[in-house]
Amino acid sequence: QVQLQESGPGLVKPSQTLSLTCTVSGGSISSGNYYWNWIRQPAGKGLEWIGRIYTSGITNYNPSLKSRVTISIDTSKNQFTLNLSSVTVADTAVYYCVRDVAVSGQFDYWGQGTLVTVSS
Amino acid sequence: DIQMTQSPSSLSASVGDRVTITCRASQSIGSNLNWYQQKPGKAPTLLIYGASSLQSGVPSSFSGSGSGTDFTLTISSLQPEDFATYYCQQSYITPRTFGQGTKVEIK
Repeated sequence: QVQLQESGPGLVKPSQTLSLTCTVSGGSISSGNYYWNWIRQPAGKGLEWIGRIYTSGITNYNPSLKSRVTISIDTSKNQFTLNLSSVTVADTAVYYCVRDVAVSGQFDYWGQGTLVTVSS
Repeated sequence: DIQMTQSPSSLSASVGDRVTITCRASQSIGSNLNWYQQKPGKAPTLLIYGASSLQSGVPSSFSGSGSGTDFTLTISSLQPEDFATYYCQQSYITPRTFGQGTKVEIK
């Protein structure tokens, strides 16, 4: 059974960089059948796709965040990482790491989510 | 970006009711439409992919239909554990986008 687990600081100051790591267990992140995504959800609001990475390192980002987002992958550790720079209070949200099936695009496995609060 | 619009935004229903949620895409997405269920404080879970395929382990009371721009999620007989928020999501192109959600509440 594939499991994803987010880790990282729960509090980030405005203008700083938010960094989160997702550790994948029960399967290899190097499998060519999947993309590895970050999705976020502000409290009481809907879901926003941030971006994704393939095992080769190819990335796709949401244009609304593209200038501030970097997603990287470390296949030796079975992990992928989100960096979001110049954060503001609007970036406060629960952040999920999520697997999607490359051929059809559904998000089939989700991490439990981690709350990141942007505050001074 | 493809805009996904769900209706209604919320509904009240009783156990045993048949419930239908609709999702409309701002352009044709073929059958590249997925449905998720989210309970408070939990991550979403996949219910339906490819517009009508049931994810493994999901009760057969859930079904999906549609193609192009108009899609439907149906719960044939609402159970107590089905009270939750439901989201549609297009996987036709990036950026991936979600509907705003439909909250199913107890009448």
